[in-house]
Amino acid sequence: EDQVTQSPEALRLQEGESSSLNCSYTVSGLRGLFWYRQDPGKGPEFLFTLYSAGEEKEKERLKATLTKKESFLHITAPKPEDSATYLCAVRDGANNLFFGTGTRLTVIP
Amino acid sequence: KAGVTQTPRYLIKTRGQQVTLSCSPISGHRSVSWYQQTPGQGLQFLFEYFSETQRNKGNFPGRFSGRQFSNSRSEMNVSTLELGDSALYLCASSLAATYTDTQYFGPGTRLTVL
Repeated sequence: EDQVTQSPEALRLQEGESSSLNCSYTVSGLRGLFWYRQDPGKGPEFLFTLYSAGEEKEKERLKATLTKKESFLHITAPKPEDSATYLCAVRDGANNLFFGTGTRLTVIP
Repeated sequence: KAGVTQTPRYLIKTRGQQVTLSCSPISGHRSVSWYQQTPGQGLQFLFEYFSETQRNKGNFPGRFSGRQFSNSRSEMNVSTLELGDSALYLCASSLAATYTDTQYFGPGTRLTVL
């Protein structure tokens, strides 16, 4: 069964303390992996799309990487405004889209 | 460019009623998808429309239905509301027909069923 698992469920970091969020997936025929950021009471905001193993994308303090089984979202020197829930979604070969339950990140000043 | 808009932003209904939610996609986007988000289940896919045709459907009962108009605007309807239908309903639009296109989300409609 296709599945997307994100870890940890929650992460508290001190401002400036770098870390990584994980998204592991088991799908047939990956067609794309998407990272979103969601603030409370708002819709998810698109961050990155990755299509193939080895691909990397960067935006400000965020860097997303992809292997054949998982993706990492690296956060370098986070700031309090990076606090949010980060969602991972995977599109499989049958065009189904599966979302993980997210990692709730809190960055403490 | 304006983003995805959803109306209304908040709704309160009672059990047994029906509700219609509206979504206007980003200009030029032809695909619209709907999701239900709850604290326990996370984001769950409801259905996707492209060029007025339902292209994909999630595992939800027939009480949940949708449609898309020629201008790509979409509506979803939930009939005979149940308490468990309380959730944030999100609409997302994407540019074209390929499934790998990135989806951009609206702010959501918060539905509360009493």
